[in-house]
Amino acid sequence: GNSVTQMEGPVTLSEEAFLTINCTYTATGYPSLFWYVQYPGEGLQLLLKATKADDKGSNKGFEATYRKETTSFHLEKGSVQVSDSAVYFCALSETQGGSEKLVFGKGTKLTVNP
Amino acid sequence: EPEVTQTPSHQVTQMGQEVILRCVPISNHLYFYWYRQILGQKVEFLVSFYNNEISEKSEIFDDQFSVERPDGSNFTLKIRSTKLEDSAMYFCASNHRDLNTEAFFGQGTRLTVV
Repeated sequence: GNSVTQMEGPVTLSEEAFLTINCTYTATGYPSLFWYVQYPGEGLQLLLKATKADDKGSNKGFEATYRKETTSFHLEKGSVQVSDSAVYFCALSETQGGSEKLVFGKGTKLTVNP
Repeated sequence: EPEVTQTPSHQVTQMGQEVILRCVPISNHLYFYWYRQILGQKVEFLVSFYNNEISEKSEIFDDQFSVERPDGSNFTLKIRSTKLEDSAMYFCASNHRDLNTEAFFGQGTRLTVV
């Protein structure tokens, strides 16, 4: 079945450092790809998405490009802030019948220190 | 901004007891989902629901689980006889696929079975 593998955490960075969280996927067909973020004490929020190959999703300074050739969707940010501290989940969508479900990676906890 | 709301935020129950987790999806959404996350593990799909019936369920969603949309606004997950291994964070989500929107998640209910 489809699966998502993302970089094990935790990741600890200093403010203004460059962030990369790796994500690769295995899928039949052409799923949409997502990054969700979970801030402490909150639910899952969509951070960005890409629906087809070579699309770049971006939001709040974060970017990820849908790379079909490497089956990857790595998350990057040029300069992280303390407020970016959260758990980041890579996910793909599977459509079966009328339903669309998400398959998640394990999550990567990011801590940004001032 | 519309949001998915879940109650309670934390539920402690004794093994063998029935629990009902409640969710109010976004009002014009048509597809509803439950996911769970056992501590330190992946977010896993449990079930999807559309047009008042289950459209897909995972292997986890056995006979002990059921879902219901009793009144057109609430969407509930019932676990009939809880086991220790049901302890997890349970997330409700909804989307309106006909409008090609992403899934919106609630803040989650932390279920602790003792």
